[in-house]
Amino acid sequence: DSGVTQTPKHLITATGQRVTLRCSPRSGDLSVYWYQQSLDQGLQFLIQYYNGEERAKGNILERFSAQQFPDLHSELNLSSLELGDSALYFCASSVARVDNEQFFGPGTRLTVL
Amino acid sequence: GENVEQHPSTLSVQEGDSAVIKCTYSDSASNYFPWYKQELGKRPQLIIDIRSNVGEKKDQRIAVTLNKTAKHFSLHITETQPEDSAVYFCAACPHNAGGTSYGKLTFGQGTILTVHP
Repeated sequence: DSGVTQTPKHLITATGQRVTLRCSPRSGDLSVYWYQQSLDQGLQFLIQYYNGEERAKGNILERFSAQQFPDLHSELNLSSLELGDSALYFCASSVARVDNEQFFGPGTRLTVL
Repeated sequence: GENVEQHPSTLSVQEGDSAVIKCTYSDSASNYFPWYKQELGKRPQLIIDIRSNVGEKKDQRIAVTLNKTAKHFSLHITETQPEDSAVYFCAACPHNAGGTSYGKLTFGQGTILTVHP
């Protein structure tokens, strides 16, 4: 157990819908990262937040957005869902000072029908 | 941006043999190189990492080597066991121009390691 928690574990929804994925980092970690894992694209970095502020952005679609709250938990919002958005979404956290070690949560499996 | 190539895509060994997975990266400013193990349906788990000021690092049966000049790094697993069977990912973490790493990991495509008893 890495100490990073994610909810829900599974999510099944329809095209065009909107969903919210939630992540709580390890105690003491200020940085949260979101990754998407699919069979064809592998593990792709989406976005990073550090202490409430967006710090880095990857190839995140405009239909996707995220935020980090004062209690440091983060939410990833996916809207206007398409079949191709079906994937495993992982959250990771790190202290993000000199450390770069990122510890992954159990993931949310999103299925868009 | 950073690009990480990982080889081989699949690797099959007999229990007790060694396994080697290699990665190359493109951004010479990258300074942190972790390796993750992912079992089916589970989270990627950090197993070892290396920073650019070090050429080699060992942790029991696992070792990682880094050649900054050639921009490649490798994972070595000795005395493999069936429980080592998993997908292994390498990653690279680039610096920004100011010298502060954002922690943005770029992953290789993964290697499926199968250890036969």
